[in-house]
Amino acid sequence: GAGVSQTPSNKVTEKGKYVELRCDPISGHTALYWYRQSLGQGPEFLIYFQGTGAADDSGLPNDRFFAVRPEGSVSTLKIQRTERGDSAVYLCASSALGRGGSNQETQYFGPGTRLLVL
Amino acid sequence: AQKITQTQPGMFVQEKEAVTLDCTYDTSDPSYGLFWYKQPSSGEMIFLIYQGSYDQQNATEGRYSLNFQKARKSANLVISASQLGDSAMYFCAMRGSQKLVFGQGTRLTINP
Repeated sequence: GAGVSQTPSNKVTEKGKYVELRCDPISGHTALYWYRQSLGQGPEFLIYFQGTGAADDSGLPNDRFFAVRPEGSVSTLKIQRTERGDSAVYLCASSALGRGGSNQETQYFGPGTRLLVL
Repeated sequence: AQKITQTQPGMFVQEKEAVTLDCTYDTSDPSYGLFWYKQPSSGEMIFLIYQGSYDQQNATEGRYSLNFQKARKSANLVISASQLGDSAMYFCAMRGSQKLVFGQGTRLTINP
């Protein structure tokens, strides 16, 4: 079956602009996660959705970052007034369980969106 | 807070040899899960293997096995009979709540 897909694969923007990054999870997966990976680092958690609601947004760095998942499937990560420090790979993952799920629940990742802010 | 430490920035191994990638963790949660992911140059994170904190036996998945030593808080990945296609970044991660906490990663290079 189809895996997690993310669009665009690459995005170049200018400082101060607004960007949207899209994630399409594996069909039927109720949990969706966003991570950010800077060069040479491991991914860092941003936000987690269980269904349509953000269950944990503690990783969002500031109020310029916002994410939605209005129908419980596709999610969009929105970054306002982009800064050069926002340049990174943004990874999306999904898993079959979420609420009360066991620690064995495996997160499956998409290919990521490489964001470059000039 | 949960923390994952991978102390080997890079590893170089001859093809067909076994290799061990180190991972230590820190958590106060009694229940947690440990994962290993492979990230080739294409960038996608590929799930390799999982170990639960209450699992009595070490996890195995084909050529991958996890050497889980709970008292030492270590979860090393062992790759047997390495192949050229194993060259990639490898990340150890922990899940205690819903999110994953990753280490810095180890870059593995398999030489022919």
